Amino acid sequence: DAGVIQSPRHEVTEMGQEVTLRCKPISGHDYLFWYRQTMMRGLELLIYFNNNVPIDDSGMPEDRFSAKMPNASFSTLKIQPSEPRDSAVYFCASSFLGFGNTIYFGEGSWLTVV
Amino acid sequence: AQSVAQPEDQVNVAEGNPLTVKCTYSVSGNPYLFWYVQYPNRGLQFLLKYITGDNLVKGSYGFEAEFNKSQTSFHLKKPSALVSDSALYFCAVRLEGNTPLVFGKGTRLSVIA
Repeated sequence: DAGVIQSPRHEVTEMGQEVTLRCKPISGHDYLFWYRQTMMRGLELLIYFNNNVPIDDSGMPEDRFSAKMPNASFSTLKIQPSEPRDSAVYFCASSFLGFGNTIYFGEGSWLTVV
Repeated sequence: AQSVAQPEDQVNVAEGNPLTVKCTYSVSGNPYLFWYVQYPNRGLQFLLKYITGDNLVKGSYGFEAEFNKSQTSFHLKKPSALVSDSALYFCAVRLEGNTPLVFGKGTRLSVIA
């Protein structure tokens, strides 16, 4: 299997622009997670889905952030409008049958907002 | 609520020496415990996990971890460190049932030749 695939790997954008991060989970996995990693806050869970349905979005920092999972093989995390403090690495991860099983991470999307 | 602590931000060890990266946890039930490694500019990679059974868990790249219920610890160990082990290591914990993993802040391991 190709693993969790994220795009873009790197993005530099100007403040105020819309940013869309994309994720393809491992085929057959029923849970999908979006995490954000920063030096100050470490690894934070933003939102997770089960069978394409958002279960908990309490980690989403503001209304500027939104996430969708239109089908089992694709998810997006959107920031609109973006701000410099959104600069971080955003990871998508997936697992099968929930949290007891191993969560597999993508390589991350490195976002810089200038 | 569950939480995990990695008391050391940085661990330095000489190549060939044993290494230990510490992790303690706090949960109000039976914990599921995980270790992940992150190499520079990469995602997190799974190393090993404890769910139940033998307290000594063996994982990838020669790493192992020991679950100690009385001390609520799950320290990561390796008998002989390699320079290539230099990376950021994360401990994570969750309860039984479908609750999210909670990650520690990470410990940066530097293995010096």
